[in-house]
Amino acid sequence: AQSVTQPDIHITVSEGASLELRCNYSYGATPYLFWYVQSPGQGLQLLLKYFSGDTLVQGIKGFEAEFKRSQSSFNLRKPSVHWSDAAEYFCAVGAKEYGNKLVFGAGTILRVKS
Amino acid sequence: KAGVTQTPRYLIKTRGQQVTLSCSPISGHRSVSWYQQTPGQGLQFLFEYFSETQRNKGNFPGRFSGRQFSNSRSEMNVSTLELGDSALYLCASRPTGTGQETQYFGPGTRLLVL
Repeated sequence: AQSVTQPDIHITVSEGASLELRCNYSYGATPYLFWYVQSPGQGLQLLLKYFSGDTLVQGIKGFEAEFKRSQSSFNLRKPSVHWSDAAEYFCAVGAKEYGNKLVFGAGTILRVKS
Repeated sequence: KAGVTQTPRYLIKTRGQQVTLSCSPISGHRSVSWYQQTPGQGLQFLFEYFSETQRNKGNFPGRFSGRQFSNSRSEMNVSTLELGDSALYLCASRPTGTGQETQYFGPGTRLLVL
């Protein structure tokens, strides 16, 4: 069965510090991967996506993610966190073989301390 | 282009009632998917519509149904509401729903069942 694991429910970082949010997936097909961010009471905003090609992808707001097939991971990184980055982050995986529906991780809540 | 819009944004119903939620996709997008988000179960896929046909369905009871109109707008209906149906319902659209396409999410409809 397809599954996505975000092992960290909460993460707290200081403003200006670097950030890495982990995502591991289990898929019986060639996946494509997304990171979305959700602010309280809002919908999901796409940060970045990986379909194929270069395994290091750049997104909006200074985020990047690296796809590592051997580790089944797609970790999200940012070199310097801003207070406005506080939100919940979701990793999502899809595959044509599963009808292109997205399977989401449980989310990681990011807190930024000043 | 305008984004995905959902109406209403908030809804309060009582057990046993039924509810209809509406989603207007991004102009030109023909695929609409629905997701349910709850604190306990996270984000779960409900179903996808393309060209007025349900193309994919998640693991939800038959009380959850949907449809799509010729202009690609979609509605989701939940009959005989239960307390556990309280959730944020998110709609997402993409151009054709095939291959590697990004799903763009609306702001959601928050349903509270009393």
